[in-house]
Amino acid sequence: QVHLVESGGGLVKTGGSLRLSCAASGFTFSDYYMSWIRQAPGKGLEWVSYISNNGRTTYYADPVKGRFTISRDNAKNTLYLQMNSLRAEDTAVYYCVRDRDRNYEYAFDFWDQGTMVTVSS
Amino acid sequence: DIQMTQSPSSLSASIGDRITITCRASQAISNDLAWFQQKPGKAPKSLIYAASRLQVGVPSKFSGSGSGTDFTLTISSLQTEDFATYYCQQYNTYPLTFGVGTKVEVK
Repeated sequence: QVHLVESGGGLVKTGGSLRLSCAASGFTFSDYYMSWIRQAPGKGLEWVSYISNNGRTTYYADPVKGRFTISRDNAKNTLYLQMNSLRAEDTAVYYCVRDRDRNYEYAFDFWDQGTMVTVSS
Repeated sequence: DIQMTQSPSSLSASIGDRITITCRASQAISNDLAWFQQKPGKAPKSLIYAASRLQVGVPSKFSGSGSGTDFTLTISSLQTEDFATYYCQQYNTYPLTFGVGTKVEVK
């Protein structure tokens, strides 16, 4: 059974940093390309970042480019999102999702409960 | 970036109604279109991908169609558990983009 368990969220001051983790189980993590998606309170879904299965290729949404870094440790079956220079508009629930499989087929098939990040002055 | 225009933003319907939600992409995306359902306080749930393919376990009352720039999600007979917010998403090009959502409420 697929599980993606996010952690590391919390309350942080404007300009601060947080590192989110996503522990994967129930599938071969190294086969999958992964993404982070976020949802601000009462708002819609926003794609944040993507990483290839081997970690060599990454993409970022413009609002987070230069501030967030996505990475993965396939030996630990874990995805990360390092968030620096946090702003109030980064306040959201952050979800990790399986983006594509090893054949680059679309996934987005399993979502866990996410982790809440609150940025406040 | 590809903009996804979803309509309506909300709709009121009754149990048993057939409803349709539309999504238009700002440029052609082939059939690289997905639909998600989200209930309050819950994570999104994937319903449809490749414009018309149901995810495993999704009931056949949900259907999707379209290609290129225009897409639709149809729920054939609305039930209590279907009152939720629905989002479209294009995955043809990064950055991936979502529609603003359609809130389906009880009339």
